[in-house]
Amino acid sequence: QVQLVQSGAEVKKPGASVKVSCKVSGYTLTELSMHWVRQAPGKGLEWMGGFDPEDGETIYAQKFQGRVTMTEDTSTDTAYMELSSLRSEDTAVYYCATTWGPVFPYGFDPWGQGTLVTVSS
Amino acid sequence: DIQMTQSPSSVSASVGDRVTITCRASQGISSWLAWYQQKPGKAPKLLIYAASSLQSGVPSRFSGSGSGTDFTLTISSLQPEDFATYYCQQANSFPQITFGQGTRLEIK
Repeated sequence: QVQLVQSGAEVKKPGASVKVSCKVSGYTLTELSMHWVRQAPGKGLEWMGGFDPEDGETIYAQKFQGRVTMTEDTSTDTAYMELSSLRSEDTAVYYCATTWGPVFPYGFDPWGQGTLVTVSS
Repeated sequence: DIQMTQSPSSVSASVGDRVTITCRASQGISSWLAWYQQKPGKAPKLLIYAASSLQSGVPSRFSGSGSGTDFTLTISSLQPEDFATYYCQQANSFPQITFGQGTRLEIK
């Protein structure tokens, strides 16, 4: 069974960058399509980007183009999401989530537990 | 981009009620649709994928239907643990994903 465990909460100042990690267990990262979704306080789910196994490329939502970088370390089965030029509106819980097996590519299961990123001066 | 619109935004119901939530896509997405349940402080949980397939371990009182642009999630007999927020999500343009804005299911 796939499990995703994320890094802990972060507090950053406006203009800084944050890097959130997502450790995979139960399967190898190369067998999964990893994505990142965020949720601002009291708001809905917002897809940020994810890996397309068909062409080996990572696709980002237009809103985050130029500010987000998603990478993978296959030696440790850990995925990373780095968001730069942080502003207060980036305060949110950031989730990694994967689609694989019978639910690929319809939906995400499982999800990480979430990482709260707070942007405040 | 494909837009997903859920209705209603919130609904009040009682234990034992039958509840239906609707999701409409801005263009046809065949059956490339999933439904999630989210409780406060928790990650979303996948309920339905491919519009009508029940994810393993999800109670059979949950069901999904629809194709093209119009989809529904039905809970046949509400249980206390079902009060949560529900989201639809399209994967027709995978890996580009879009979520609906959510429907909050509250206790009447």
